[in-house]
Amino acid sequence: DADVTQTPRNRITKTGKRIMLECSQTKGHDRMYWYRQDPGLGLRLIYYSFDVKDINKGEISDGYSVSRQAQAKFSLSLESAIPNQTALYFCATSDSARASGMWTDTQYFGPGTRLTVL
Amino acid sequence: AQSVTQLDSHVSVSEGTPVLLRCNYSSSYSPSLFWYVQHPNKGLQLLLKYTSAATLVKGINGFEAEFKKSETSFHLTKPSAHMSDAAEYFCVVSDPLRQGGKLIFGQGTELSVKP
Repeated sequence: DADVTQTPRNRITKTGKRIMLECSQTKGHDRMYWYRQDPGLGLRLIYYSFDVKDINKGEISDGYSVSRQAQAKFSLSLESAIPNQTALYFCATSDSARASGMWTDTQYFGPGTRLTVL
Repeated sequence: AQSVTQLDSHVSVSEGTPVLLRCNYSSSYSPSLFWYVQHPNKGLQLLLKYTSAATLVKGINGFEAEFKKSETSFHLTKPSAHMSDAAEYFCVVSDPLRQGGKLIFGQGTELSVKP
Protein backbone atom coordinates (compact mmCIF):
# COMPACT_ATOMS: atom_id res chain seq x y z
CA ASP A 1 0.00 0.00 0.00
CA ALA A 2 1.11 3.52 -0.74
CA ASP A 3 2.42 5.58 2.17
CA VAL A 4 0.68 8.78 0.99
CA THR A 5 -2.73 8.49 -0.61
CA GLN A 6 -4.95 11.11 -2.20
CA THR A 7 -8.65 11.04 -3.01
CA PRO A 8 -10.11 11.54 -5.49
CA ARG A 9 -7.50 10.93 -8.20
CA ASN A 10 -9.49 12.84 -10.78
CA ARG A 11 -12.30 15.36 -10.41
CA ILE A 12 -14.23 17.53 -12.81
CA THR A 13 -16.38 20.25 -11.32
CA LYS A 14 -18.09 23.51 -12.23
CA THR A 15 -17.26 27.08 -11.36
CA GLY A 16 -18.57 28.07 -7.93
CA LYS A 17 -18.70 24.57 -6.48
CA ARG A 18 -17.01 23.68 -3.19
CA ILE A 19 -14.44 20.93 -3.55
CA MET A 20 -12.48 18.95 -0.98
CA LEU A 21 -9.33 16.99 -1.74
CA GLU A 22 -8.18 14.54 0.89
CA CYS A 23 -4.77 13.22 1.84
CA SER A 24 -3.85 10.41 4.21
CA GLN A 25 -0.45 9.10 5.21
CA THR A 26 0.86 6.08 7.06
CA LYS A 27 4.43 7.31 7.42
CA GLY A 28 3.87 8.76 10.88
CA HIS A 29 5.18 12.18 9.85
CA ASP A 30 4.06 15.33 11.62
CA ARG A 31 4.58 17.65 8.67
CA MET A 32 2.22 17.71 5.69
CA TYR A 33 1.97 19.92 2.63
CA TRP A 34 -0.31 20.77 -0.28
CA TYR A 35 1.11 21.82 -3.66
CA ARG A 36 -0.31 22.56 -7.07
CA GLN A 37 1.48 21.83 -10.31
CA ASP A 38 0.96 23.82 -13.47
CA PRO A 39 2.83 23.20 -16.74
CA GLY A 40 6.14 25.07 -16.86
CA LEU A 41 5.84 26.31 -13.27
CA GLY A 42 6.99 23.34 -11.25
CA LEU A 43 5.19 22.86 -7.92
CA ARG A 44 4.00 25.74 -5.78
CA LEU A 45 3.17 25.49 -2.10
CA ILE A 46 -0.43 26.20 -1.06
CA TYR A 47 -0.49 25.33 2.66
CA TYR A 48 1.63 23.39 5.09
CA SER A 49 1.16 21.99 8.58
CA PHE A 50 3.84 21.15 11.11
CA ASP A 51 1.40 19.38 13.41
CA VAL A 52 -2.33 19.20 14.08
CA LYS A 53 -2.42 22.65 15.68
CA ASP A 54 0.04 24.39 13.39
CA ILE A 55 -1.14 25.39 9.91
CA ASN A 56 0.58 27.92 7.69
CA LYS A 57 -0.06 29.61 4.38
CA GLY A 58 2.22 28.94 1.48
CA GLU A 59 2.94 31.15 -1.51
CA ILE A 60 -0.46 30.74 -3.23
CA SER A 61 -3.07 30.20 -0.49
CA ASP A 62 -5.75 32.59 -1.80
CA GLY A 63 -8.92 30.71 -2.70
CA TYR A 64 -7.93 27.64 -0.67
CA SER A 65 -8.37 26.44 2.90
CA VAL A 66 -7.13 23.39 4.76
CA SER A 67 -8.04 21.19 7.69
CA ARG A 68 -5.70 18.93 9.65
CA GLN A 69 -8.11 16.44 11.14
CA ALA A 70 -5.45 14.20 12.63
CA GLN A 71 -1.74 13.58 12.31
CA ALA A 72 -2.43 11.33 9.34
CA LYS A 73 -5.02 13.44 7.50
CA PHE A 74 -4.74 16.81 5.76
CA SER A 75 -7.57 18.09 3.54
CA LEU A 76 -7.55 20.90 1.00
CA SER A 77 -10.75 22.77 0.16
CA LEU A 78 -11.62 25.09 -2.68
CA GLU A 79 -14.46 27.16 -1.28
CA SER A 80 -15.72 28.36 -4.65
CA ALA A 81 -13.82 26.76 -7.50
CA ILE A 82 -12.74 28.84 -10.49
CA PRO A 83 -11.26 27.72 -13.82
CA ASN A 84 -7.71 28.91 -13.05
CA GLN A 85 -7.63 26.43 -10.19
CA THR A 86 -7.53 23.66 -12.77
CA ALA A 87 -4.27 21.90 -11.95
CA LEU A 88 -2.62 18.80 -10.59
CA TYR A 89 -2.61 18.85 -6.78
CA PHE A 90 -0.08 17.00 -4.66
CA CYS A 91 -0.01 16.21 -0.99
CA ALA A 92 3.34 15.53 0.68
CA THR A 93 4.68 14.57 4.07
CA SER A 94 8.15 15.03 5.47
CA ASP A 95 10.48 13.72 8.07
CA SER A 96 13.25 15.84 9.44
CA ALA A 97 16.76 15.22 10.66
CA ARG A 98 19.11 17.65 12.33
CA ALA A 99 22.89 17.34 12.14
CA SER A 100 25.57 19.91 12.78
CA GLY A 101 22.95 22.57 13.33
CA MET A 102 21.29 22.01 9.97
CA TRP A 103 17.87 20.57 9.23
CA THR A 104 17.27 18.18 6.40
CA ASP A 105 13.66 17.63 5.40
CA THR A 106 12.85 14.98 2.84
CA GLN A 107 9.37 15.18 1.38
CA TYR A 108 7.36 12.22 0.13
CA PHE A 109 4.59 12.84 -2.36
CA GLY A 110 1.20 11.31 -3.00
CA PRO A 111 0.09 10.31 -6.52
CA GLY A 112 -1.74 13.56 -7.17
CA THR A 113 -5.30 14.68 -7.85
CA ARG A 114 -6.12 16.06 -11.27
CA LEU A 115 -8.76 18.76 -10.83
CA THR A 116 -10.60 20.37 -13.72
CA VAL A 117 -12.87 23.36 -13.11
CA LEU A 118 -15.21 24.12 -16.00
CA ALA B 1 16.08 34.25 -1.03
CA GLN B 2 16.61 30.84 -2.46
CA SER B 3 15.94 29.89 -6.05
CA VAL B 4 16.68 27.10 -8.46
CA THR B 5 17.01 27.19 -12.24
CA GLN B 6 16.88 24.20 -14.51
CA LEU B 7 18.75 25.21 -17.60
CA ASP B 8 16.92 23.00 -20.09
CA SER B 9 13.19 22.57 -20.37
CA HIS B 10 13.62 19.52 -22.59
CA VAL B 11 16.49 17.07 -23.14
CA SER B 12 16.49 14.27 -25.69
CA VAL B 13 19.00 11.39 -25.69
CA SER B 14 19.34 8.02 -27.35
CA GLU B 15 19.05 4.85 -25.30
CA GLY B 16 22.45 3.82 -23.97
CA THR B 17 23.96 7.33 -24.12
CA PRO B 18 24.76 9.54 -21.12
CA VAL B 19 22.20 11.81 -19.50
CA LEU B 20 22.98 15.30 -18.18
CA LEU B 21 20.25 17.45 -16.61
CA ARG B 22 21.52 20.82 -15.45
CA CYS B 23 20.52 22.70 -12.32
CA ASN B 24 21.87 25.91 -10.79
CA TYR B 25 20.79 27.21 -7.43
CA SER B 26 20.97 30.42 -5.47
CA SER B 27 21.12 30.35 -1.70
CA SER B 28 22.54 32.38 1.14
CA TYR B 29 23.38 29.18 2.96
CA SER B 30 24.75 25.79 2.06
CA PRO B 31 21.43 24.38 0.94
CA SER B 32 19.80 20.99 0.94
CA LEU B 33 19.27 19.94 -2.68
CA PHE B 34 17.11 17.24 -4.18
CA TRP B 35 16.23 15.70 -7.50
CA TYR B 36 12.74 14.30 -7.97
CA VAL B 37 11.37 12.40 -10.96
CA GLN B 38 7.78 12.40 -12.18
CA HIS B 39 6.66 9.75 -14.62
CA PRO B 40 3.53 10.43 -16.67
CA ASN B 41 0.39 10.40 -14.53
CA LYS B 42 2.44 9.55 -11.46
CA GLY B 43 3.46 11.38 -8.30
CA LEU B 44 6.96 12.63 -7.55
CA GLN B 45 9.62 10.16 -6.51
CA LEU B 46 12.81 11.15 -4.71
CA LEU B 47 15.88 10.30 -6.79
CA LEU B 48 18.58 11.62 -4.49
CA LYS B 49 19.41 14.34 -1.98
CA TYR B 50 22.42 16.38 -0.93
CA THR B 51 22.68 17.37 2.72
CA SER B 52 26.24 18.73 3.15
CA ALA B 53 27.88 15.35 3.46
CA ALA B 54 29.61 13.90 0.38
CA THR B 55 29.47 16.20 -2.62
CA LEU B 56 28.88 13.31 -5.02
CA VAL B 57 25.49 11.85 -4.27
CA LYS B 58 24.30 8.53 -5.61
CA GLY B 59 20.60 7.93 -6.09
CA ILE B 60 18.25 5.29 -7.35
CA ASN B 61 18.20 3.82 -10.86
CA GLY B 62 21.84 4.65 -11.55
CA PHE B 63 21.50 8.43 -11.23
CA GLU B 64 23.98 10.61 -9.40
CA ALA B 65 24.53 14.31 -8.85
CA GLU B 66 27.50 16.39 -7.84
CA PHE B 67 27.25 19.45 -5.61
CA LYS B 68 29.67 22.16 -6.79
CA LYS B 69 29.59 25.14 -4.49
CA SER B 70 31.97 27.22 -6.63
CA GLU B 71 29.64 26.83 -9.62
CA THR B 72 26.39 26.79 -7.55
CA SER B 73 25.38 23.73 -9.53
CA PHE B 74 23.81 20.37 -8.81
CA HIS B 75 23.65 18.60 -12.17
CA LEU B 76 22.06 15.18 -12.50
CA THR B 77 23.82 12.50 -14.55
CA LYS B 78 23.46 8.90 -15.60
CA PRO B 79 26.04 7.01 -17.66
CA SER B 80 23.57 5.16 -19.87
CA ALA B 81 19.96 6.13 -20.50
CA HIS B 82 17.17 3.59 -20.45
CA MET B 83 13.77 3.94 -22.06
CA SER B 84 12.17 3.87 -18.61
CA ASP B 85 14.07 7.05 -17.68
CA ALA B 86 11.75 9.12 -19.88
CA ALA B 87 10.01 11.44 -17.41
CA GLU B 88 10.07 14.95 -16.00
CA TYR B 89 12.81 15.79 -13.53
CA PHE B 90 12.73 18.51 -10.89
CA CYS B 91 15.65 20.08 -9.10
CA VAL B 92 14.63 21.31 -5.65
CA VAL B 93 16.25 23.42 -2.93
CA SER B 94 15.27 23.85 0.69
CA ASP B 95 16.42 26.02 3.54
CA PRO B 96 18.54 23.85 5.85
CA LEU B 97 18.35 26.22 8.78
CA ARG B 98 14.67 25.78 9.47
CA GLN B 99 12.82 22.64 10.39
CA GLY B 100 10.04 21.82 7.98
CA GLY B 101 11.86 23.84 5.36
CA LYS B 102 9.77 24.65 2.35
CA LEU B 103 10.86 23.31 -0.99
CA ILE B 104 11.55 25.58 -3.94
CA PHE B 105 11.05 23.73 -7.22
CA GLY B 106 12.70 24.32 -10.54
CA GLN B 107 10.51 24.51 -13.60
CA GLY B 108 11.31 20.93 -14.59
CA THR B 109 13.23 19.22 -17.40
CA GLU B 110 11.46 16.75 -19.60
CA LEU B 111 13.74 13.88 -20.60
CA SER B 112 12.97 11.97 -23.77
CA VAL B 113 14.80 8.73 -24.59
CA LYS B 114 14.91 7.56 -28.21
CA PRO B 115 15.36 3.90 -29.09
